[in-house]
Amino acid sequence: EAQVTQNPRYLITVTGKKLTVTCSQNMNHEYMSWYRQDPGLGLRQIYYSMNVEVTDKGDVPEGYKVSRKEKRNFPLILESPSPNQTSLYFCASSDRGPGNYGYTFGSGTRLTVV
Amino acid sequence: GQQLNQSPQSMFIQEGEDVSMNCTSSSIFNTWLWYKQDPGEGPVLLIALYKAGELTSNGRLTAQFGITRKDSFLNISASIPSDVGIYFCAGQGDSNYQLIWGAGTKLIIKP
Repeated sequence: EAQVTQNPRYLITVTGKKLTVTCSQNMNHEYMSWYRQDPGLGLRQIYYSMNVEVTDKGDVPEGYKVSRKEKRNFPLILESPSPNQTSLYFCASSDRGPGNYGYTFGSGTRLTVV
Repeated sequence: GQQLNQSPQSMFIQEGEDVSMNCTSSSIFNTWLWYKQDPGEGPVLLIALYKAGELTSNGRLTAQFGITRKDSFLNISASIPSDVGIYFCAGQGDSNYQLIWGAGTKLIIKP
């Protein structure tokens, strides 16, 4: 089944403890992206990647890092999480860019930072 | 970053009613996309529009790409309980790598 898989689905952590949210897609898509979703704010892009080793900042990149060493994986790294990073996170992938055929989204990771 | 103006923010409707929602932008777009998000899941693409004036259907859903290229509309006919969720519009302008998103319309069906 064609899908984007995120792990974990739920995570509670403490301020300052580094964490990684993994994302993997099995559709051979070149383009991948991370979003956060907060009530009333919709989806805001954190980082995106056009291909292996090519990444760029989205609208809200502060406090996040990403890497794209392989085409299928695009992990999101929070080096020192803070409570304002409590949110619902989505990974998404697209073939030839989201403007062509849209995104396929993962099921989300709900992160709570205390 | 830029955000689309999506309205209404939420809708309470009776089962069987028709639903309309829209998105507007201050800049023109080349593509309009409509997504639905079920509770606890990621958004799923419903309809993609690529041409000004285009009208596209997907079952009971119909969406239109506005003539000015600055707006789009989504209609749902004869709503059913599984239509509940959040509907998002997204537009793509000059950059093929970034979408601009609306804040979502939450659809709730009155019991």
